[in-house]
Amino acid sequence: GQNIDQPTEMTATEGAIVQINCTYQTSGFNGLFWYQQHAGEAPTFLSYNVLDGLEEKGRFSSFLSRSKGYSYLLLKELQMKDSASYLCAFRDSGAGSYQLTFGKGTKLSVIP
Amino acid sequence: DAMVIQNPRYQVTQFGKPVTLSCSQTLNHNVMYWYQQKSSQAPKLLFHYYDKDFNNEADTPDNFQSRRPNTSFCFLDIRSPGLGDAAMYLCATSRVETGGGQFFGPGTRLTVL
Repeated sequence: GQNIDQPTEMTATEGAIVQINCTYQTSGFNGLFWYQQHAGEAPTFLSYNVLDGLEEKGRFSSFLSRSKGYSYLLLKELQMKDSASYLCAFRDSGAGSYQLTFGKGTKLSVIP
Repeated sequence: DAMVIQNPRYQVTQFGKPVTLSCSQTLNHNVMYWYQQKSSQAPKLLFHYYDKDFNNEADTPDNFQSRRPNTSFCFLDIRSPGLGDAAMYLCATSRVETGGGQFFGPGTRLTVL
């Protein structure tokens, strides 16, 4: 079956680095997405990985290991505005392969 | 700017009173989705349209219906809202051919009194 898991909450200090992990299980894999969602707002797209390795985009990087069913989002030089929920989602390769399966999100609190 | 628009942003309705939420997009995406999201939970897919083809999730209550009169617009109808239907309703779009992710609208926060 399909499953996706990420920590419920994390706290980190302004200026620090934080890594948010995501593990997933699916019979066919076709991409891993990270979204940022501020409280009461819609998710906004952060990154997309379909091949193994690290994708860097400014302060945010995302890593994927398909063999391990594992991804992480790395946030550097944390700012207070980074306090948000971070949603991990995968797309499988079966019928309806354009749909995403979302995790419950990791609520990140950045403290001074 | 190309975008996904949802109206209204906040909707208050009474128990059992039908309500319609709307979504429009200027991205020319062929797939439109409706999600329900409750506090601290993952977005839950209710249904989606691939062009004109309607796809209902197996566990979406019959109380929820959708219409897509054209490429740009999609509506979510809740025929008899219950207290448990209070949630954020998110519309998203994607273009299958590009293989990209989904783009979300700002959401409609539904309150049921």
